[in-house]
Amino acid sequence: GAGVSQTPSNKVTEKGKYVELRCDPISGHTALYWYRQSLGQGPEFLIYFQGTGAADDSGLPNDRFFAVRPEGSVSTLKIQRTERGDSAVYLCASSSGGSGNEQFFGPGTRLTVL
Amino acid sequence: GEDVEQSLFLSVREGDSSVINCTYTDSSSTYLYWYKQEPGAGLQLLTYIFSNMDMKQDQRLTVLLNKKDKHLSLRIADTQTGDSAIYFCAVGGPGGKLIFGQGTELSVKP
Repeated sequence: GAGVSQTPSNKVTEKGKYVELRCDPISGHTALYWYRQSLGQGPEFLIYFQGTGAADDSGLPNDRFFAVRPEGSVSTLKIQRTERGDSAVYLCASSSGGSGNEQFFGPGTRLTVL
Repeated sequence: GEDVEQSLFLSVREGDSSVINCTYTDSSSTYLYWYKQEPGAGLQLLTYIFSNMDMKQDQRLTVLLNKKDKHLSLRIADTQTGDSAIYFCAVGGPGGKLIFGQGTELSVKP
């Protein structure tokens, strides 16, 4: 398809485990964003990539969270030593950076930490 | 930092107009956006407005921007039951990251 895809759609893990969440942006989009949405809240910014580099990681809550985009396309959000408070929907968006900087969102990965 | 506020709920009758309001604190944003989120679905971009505009119309949607009062609104004309969803206001921050409000749940009654 032509949209942003995210895998897995659901992830259940135990406290203390490591998880990886994947995002495939729209082909040709140079900008990629990660957000986190808790129940009943709006999405909160985590990190932004322009190409391969993290241009702004100011939203990452602590050093357990890390993201990469090694070839400037697919991105992986990595969470170490998961905690119950990490449970949320993790959203990825991509943008071509054109007029309006419209961001197109994927369906999200629902992470549940037991 | 930037703060974006929305009322949490709005209920209207089918065929009426809906007006969803949003206030924000940072006046330096270049673009302001409205997104729609249906249950179990991702965020869908509805429309956006450039900060030097007062109004933008797109079919049943009208966006009004009052920069002086830092107030953004989305009007949906002839609201349908299919418009029931959560609507998010978002303000463009540094680097293009979006700062979202907490969302307004629109309920359309037949």
